Amino acid sequence: SAVISQKPSRDICQRGTSLTIQCQVDSQVTMMFWYRQQPGQSLTLIATANQGSEATYESGFVIDKFPISRPNLTFSTLTVSNLSPEDSSIYLCSVLQGNSPLHFGNGTRLTVT
Amino acid sequence: KQEVTQIPAALSVPEGENLVLNCSFTDSAIYNLQWFRQDPGKGLTSLLLIQSSQREQTSGRLNASLDKSSGRSTLYIAASQPGDSATYLCAVGSGGGADGLTFGKGTHLIIQP
Repeated sequence: SAVISQKPSRDICQRGTSLTIQCQVDSQVTMMFWYRQQPGQSLTLIATANQGSEATYESGFVIDKFPISRPNLTFSTLTVSNLSPEDSSIYLCSVLQGNSPLHFGNGTRLTVT
Repeated sequence: KQEVTQIPAALSVPEGENLVLNCSFTDSAIYNLQWFRQDPGKGLTSLLLIQSSQREQTSGRLNASLDKSSGRSTLYIAASQPGDSATYLCAVGSGGGADGLTFGKGTHLIIQP
């Protein structure tokens, strides 16, 4: 199965700044997704990262707030912009290869002060 | 819109017991169903993946069943151990796997030594 490296593992950011999270996979994957897990909640899909084109966002998530890049089949970034305390969450990268189970990185724990 | 519900929200049992975690979903037109384990402060570990055409999957002491028509899945854990303590998440895939997963809120399981 794919090995996913997600960085940073955690960060504390000030209100109004931005954080960029990186997701690196050790092999080419079909699909890459970004999820958010708010405190005490389950995971919510933010968007599908599309290689070489704009990401596909779920309802309630917009590109201006969560810009995503996927320059190739093994790498993606998620930026959380104009941070507010409500953005404090765990952000997780996940990848899909064919019919294999969806695999997740270890997540990035973001705290906004 | 797909909704996934997990019951119970939390469960505490003595070591050695067999237990069942329940998952229900509202839209039976699923592509697959996946069970994950999440340990505190860590990412998700895939436990079992059931394709829509399958009725069950087994891995070691874990057995997951799927009844698409009734919108239900169960995760059976045999001879529970303290190391099984974690949050167990049920997630449903649609759109041929390309639409990401819809997650339940999880069952927080504690196995007492």
